[in-house]
Amino acid sequence: DAGVIQSPRHEVTEMGQEVTLRCKPISGHDYLFWYRQTMMRGLELLIYFNNNVPIDDSGMPEDRFSAKMPNASFSTLKIQPSEPRDSAVYFCASSPQGQTMNTEAFFGQGTRLTVV
Amino acid sequence: ELKVEQNPLFLSMQEGKNYTIYCNYSTTSDRLYWYRQDPGKSLESLFVLLSNGAVKQEGRLMASLDTKARLSTLHITAAVHDLSATYFCAVAQGAQKLVFGQGTRLTINP
Repeated sequence: DAGVIQSPRHEVTEMGQEVTLRCKPISGHDYLFWYRQTMMRGLELLIYFNNNVPIDDSGMPEDRFSAKMPNASFSTLKIQPSEPRDSAVYFCASSPQGQTMNTEAFFGQGTRLTVV
Repeated sequence: ELKVEQNPLFLSMQEGKNYTIYCNYSTTSDRLYWYRQDPGKSLESLFVLLSNGAVKQEGRLMASLDTKARLSTLHITAAVHDLSATYFCAVAQGAQKLVFGQGTRLTINP
């Protein structure tokens, strides 16, 4: 398996533009997580899905952020309009049974977003 | 609210030495994870600790969990340069949410 695949790896955009980050989870995994990593706040869980349904979006910073999972093999995280403070590395992770018992989340390579 | 604190945040050590990274958390949890992150890379799972007194070892790394003290340790034995990385502990909050520590940036010098 190729693991969790994220695209793009790097994105530079101007303030006010729309940004879409993409994720393909590991086949057969039921859970998908979006995390954000910054120097100031560390790693934060933004939202997670179970069987394509959003379960907890309490970590989404504001209405400019939205996430979808139209099918089991694809998810997007959209920021509109983007702001410089959104600059961060965004990680997608998937897990076969959620992070319960002896399972762990497998992380993608991340998308480094820079908003100028 | 669950808080997870690691110390030290930065650690520079020489090859061959032993050291320990500490992870304290504020509320009861049934799972704790250790991850490794190399610069510019993703997070790699190292250990999953599920019960009080759990100890797991992989090569020069050993992790333990004391749920009563709400403390986990990651012990490095006879460090080698390849272990240079940032190490994160993460504690489960509820069924799915992981709360991460700040990370410990470990540098091992020849």
